[in-house]
Amino acid sequence: DVKVTQSSRYLVKRTGEKVFLECVQDMDHENMFWYRQDPGLGLRLIYFSYDVKMKEKGDIPEGYSVSREKKERFSLILESASTNQTSMYLCASSSTSNKRERLGETQYFGPGTRLLVL
Amino acid sequence: GNSVTQMEGPVTLSEEAFLTINCTYTATGYPSLFWYVQYPGEGLQLLLKATKADDKGSNKGFEATYRKETTSFHLEKGSVQVSDSAVYFCAFSNTGFQKLVFGTGTRLLVSP
Repeated sequence: DVKVTQSSRYLVKRTGEKVFLECVQDMDHENMFWYRQDPGLGLRLIYFSYDVKMKEKGDIPEGYSVSREKKERFSLILESASTNQTSMYLCASSSTSNKRERLGETQYFGPGTRLLVL
Repeated sequence: GNSVTQMEGPVTLSEEAFLTINCTYTATGYPSLFWYVQYPGEGLQLLLKATKADDKGSNKGFEATYRKETTSFHLEKGSVQVSDSAVYFCAFSNTGFQKLVFGTGTRLLVSP
């Protein structure tokens, strides 16, 4: 079974703090994703990565950065946390091994980190 | 632009009732379509998917058919259980790297 783990289930931080959210997957997946989930807005893509050291902006990258130094690990960084970044953060991974289903690959999600910025 | 519209919840049903959650999409090209489910306190997990027109995805008694002519992918189940209570997300992917576009989610509450 694919397993995606996130470093914390709950985090409380203060405005202006630098925040690191870590995600690790154990299935040698090429692609990794960071989403935030907010009521009434669904999931929105922040950043994704299709290979080590590669990153691409998603739909809402402002205020965030990412790091992928190893294939299994994808970190989301809030350089200076703000209250509007209070949210649920979900990490996901997927494989590109099946070229015929390039668009149909399943994304596997971690349990989420609920971040509160005070 | 790309978007997914799904019915607002919560949808409240009694056990063994019939379920339909509507989903329509706006996308260029030939997207793959997905339903993901989020049980309380958990991350999302794939429920079913369909990768081309007229395909039917099915899993755990849930079904959805890829209707290109109506750009829809409605989720159905003939007899819901209390354990089906969760939030259901419709999504599609139509670009490289499998980027997903999600709907806002529909909460389903099933009572005994």
